[in-house]
Amino acid sequence: DAGVIQSPRHEVTEMGQEVTLRCKPISGHNSLFWYRQTMMRGLELLIYFNNNVPIDDSGMPEDRFSAKMPNASFSTLKIQPSEPRDSAVYFCASSLRQLHEQYFGPGTRLTVT
Amino acid sequence: AQTVTQSQPEMSVQEAETVTLSCTYDTSESNYYLFWYKQPPSRQMILVIRQEAYKQQNATENRFSVNFQKAAKSFSLKISDSQLGDTAMYFCALGFGNEELTFGTGTRLTIIP
Repeated sequence: DAGVIQSPRHEVTEMGQEVTLRCKPISGHNSLFWYRQTMMRGLELLIYFNNNVPIDDSGMPEDRFSAKMPNASFSTLKIQPSEPRDSAVYFCASSLRQLHEQYFGPGTRLTVT
Repeated sequence: AQTVTQSQPEMSVQEAETVTLSCTYDTSESNYYLFWYKQPPSRQMILVIRQEAYKQQNATENRFSVNFQKAAKSFSLKISDSQLGDTAMYFCALGFGNEELTFGTGTRLTIIP
């Protein structure tokens, strides 16, 4: 299995630009999670989906952030407009209900200048 | 609310020695799962070991084992015969079924040659 795939691995953009992060979960997994990691706040959950349906988006910082999961094999996290404080590593993870453990992608390092 | 506490920000140990990383947690739930994740400099989050709260037997994965004390809400990770490749950040995490994980702040472990 290829594991969780994220793209791009690195993204550098200017403040005000739209940023789209992509994730392909492990085939057969039915839950998908988006996390953000920063030095100040550590790992924090942004949103998660179960069977493509958003279950908890209380961690989404503000309306500038949105996430979609149009099908079982693809999800996006969009930031519009981006701000320097959005700079972080964004992880996508997937899991299978019967196993309970989450498998993480390699992360996307986002830098907003 | 659930909390996970890792009280050791940094640790170092000589290669081939044994090291124990501490983790305490708090939850009012009776059915939960505990995990240790490793994050090497590559930043990939790697699942090291998991423990189901309903199991009394401590989980073991090769050189990695846990000491799960449910009454004390303690979940420590023991690494035996430590290797240079064990150098990483280690995160303790608490989860419930197929829902999000709550992470500790991490312990930075350095294996000294």
